[in-house]
Amino acid sequence: AQRVTQPEKLLSVFKGAPVELKCNYSYSGSPELFWYVQYSRQRLQLLLRHISRESIKGFTADLNKGETSFHLKKPFAQEEDSAMYYCALRGTGSARQLTFGSGTQLTVLP
Amino acid sequence: EAGVTQSPTHLIKTRGQQATLRCSPISGHTSVYWYQQALGLGLQFLLWYDEGEERNRGNFPPRFSGRQFPNYSSELNVNALELEDSALYLCASSFWWGANRADTQYFGPGTRLTVL
Repeated sequence: AQRVTQPEKLLSVFKGAPVELKCNYSYSGSPELFWYVQYSRQRLQLLLRHISRESIKGFTADLNKGETSFHLKKPFAQEEDSAMYYCALRGTGSARQLTFGSGTQLTVLP
Repeated sequence: EAGVTQSPTHLIKTRGQQATLRCSPISGHTSVYWYQQALGLGLQFLLWYDEGEERNRGNFPPRFSGRQFPNYSSELNVNALELEDSALYLCASSFWWGANRADTQYFGPGTRLTVL
């Protein structure tokens, strides 16, 4: 069974502070991990995926297979980063649907 | 490029009725996924269609069903509606390259279903 855990429902940081949103997963094979973001009144959109190893809007995430984690990090948070963030895992074969964590609501305070 | 579209935006039904939700994928995408986002339950996988066939379904009762048309658009049907079916239903599309190839799911804005 595949599972994604985001331990923080709410996270508040001040503008300019570093931010880390935690994500842990459980999957027996080689998963693909994603971070999706949902800004207020907008649709769910892809932020980044581990296979691309890219940085989007200053966010990065490293897949740590030993710790089964895929934490999202940004060194200097901006007010426009305030949103709901979902970590998601996709399996292989017939299990290519996304399994989502419960989400973390990030608020960046001025 | 047009994104994933869903209709209607809102749908209000009463218990026992049937609801039909529609999704148009991004041009060129052959896979459509349906997810339910219910209050307090997060995003849960419902159904996956690719090339007109159901490939996988989540842990939902059989009254949740759907289909995919030759143009790759999709319908989600919910029969015998119950109060707990009230949720935001999201559709996502992707192009499935084949086993173990990377693809990305792009989401529509959702249909808000309210069951009274």
